[in-house]
Amino acid sequence: AQSVTQLGSHVSVSEGALVLLRCNYSSSVPPYLFWYVQYPNQGLQLLLKYTSAATLVKGINGFEAEFKKSETSFHLTKPSAHMSDAAEYFCAVSGPGGYNKLIFGAGTRLAVHP
Amino acid sequence: NAGVTQTPKFQVLKTGQSMTLQCAQDMNHNSMYWYRQDPGMGLRLIYYSASEGTTDKGEVPNGYNVSRLNKREFSLRLESAAPSQTSVYFCASRTIRPRDPEAFFGQGTRLTVV
Repeated sequence: AQSVTQLGSHVSVSEGALVLLRCNYSSSVPPYLFWYVQYPNQGLQLLLKYTSAATLVKGINGFEAEFKKSETSFHLTKPSAHMSDAAEYFCAVSGPGGYNKLIFGAGTRLAVHP
Repeated sequence: NAGVTQTPKFQVLKTGQSMTLQCAQDMNHNSMYWYRQDPGMGLRLIYYSASEGTTDKGEVPNGYNVSRLNKREFSLRLESAAPSQTSVYFCASRTIRPRDPEAFFGQGTRLTVV
């Protein structure tokens, strides 16, 4: 079985500051991990994915995430926040292969202020 | 390509009414999913279908039924709608290819049950 915990339902940063969104997972099999972003009244868009290759994964819009097996974590970071990064971010986990369940965390809403 | 298409986009139902949410994908994906999104709870998996002809329960299946009509289409039915089913519903699909395991989402159906 898989599950995801996102620490912090709301995160607020200043423009230009580091963004750190936390995700811890539980999985009984080697996991595939994902970060998605959702802008208001829209569907979900993939930011990046981990599929057991490189542990440091780079995504779109300057985001990256590092898979740490020992910590069961997959935190999302961006060195310098932009106003356009304000959105809701979801971490998700599945077993290897697209035929598995895909389970999401509760989400973190990121606010960016001037 | 249209990707994942959901209909309708908005719906208001009275308690006890039934309806079917439609989802179709044109990416030749094997797996399809139905989620509901509620504030503070992220996306919760209702049902999924790993391949044509198979369906499995997710985290919150009670009150819903699904049909995988063919490889392209996966419908969600509410037999007797309840106010607790007021939510935004998302359909998603993904391939079983290990290198491309990310899910693609529709734009959502906003359902209100009064």
